[in-house]
Amino acid sequence: QKEVEQNSGPLSVPEGAIASLNCTYSDRVSQSFFWYRQYSGKSPELIMSIYSNGDKEDGRFTAQLNKASQYVSLLIRDSQPSDSATYLCAVKETGGFKTIFGAGTRLFVKA
Amino acid sequence: GAGVSQSPSNKVTEKGKDVELRCDPISGHTALYWYRQSLGQGLEFLIYFQGNSAPDKSGLPSDRFSAERTGGSVSTLTIQRTQQEDSAVYLCASSLQGVTEAFFGQGTRLTVV
Repeated sequence: QKEVEQNSGPLSVPEGAIASLNCTYSDRVSQSFFWYRQYSGKSPELIMSIYSNGDKEDGRFTAQLNKASQYVSLLIRDSQPSDSATYLCAVKETGGFKTIFGAGTRLFVKA
Repeated sequence: GAGVSQSPSNKVTEKGKDVELRCDPISGHTALYWYRQSLGQGLEFLIYFQGNSAPDKSGLPSDRFSAERTGGSVSTLTIQRTQQEDSAVYLCASSLQGVTEAFFGQGTRLTVV
């Protein structure tokens, strides 16, 4: 059973701090990794995609991938109350297109 | 269309009835996914369609669940003889072939009473 694991949280950080969200996956040969944000009662929306080892930055968001450790993370700099949401890690299977989601980490940013 | 469209947005049905949920993907997207999300839980994969290939049905929880995709576009998820445990939000997503990011519709909230 291929799995994607996330700490369910909640993770609470003060406004302006860095929020660090972590994810591990079991399929060693997975190639595509995604972070989605889901506000309560809303659908997931894509924040970042990453395919290669290393860091990928987009505004206040940085995705980090380490395939050897089967680990992907999302850093949110200068966290804002509007960042409060559930963050879902997703991994796409190699050789297919099924995308497996983690259970999500709830983030609270305190004003 | 501009985004993934799902209908209905809400559905209340009696236990034992059949329901059909509809998904209209983004125009030009050949891949279509159905997921289920129970309250406070993550996304559970149900089924995946890619072009004319046989769908990946490995996530369907029972034979009461089925899905089809007509003409490579609109998809219908059918749940027969609904049970209370089927109550959840059913999310549809689509993506471009060769591009792997998936974009979600607003979901259908199904309540079985």
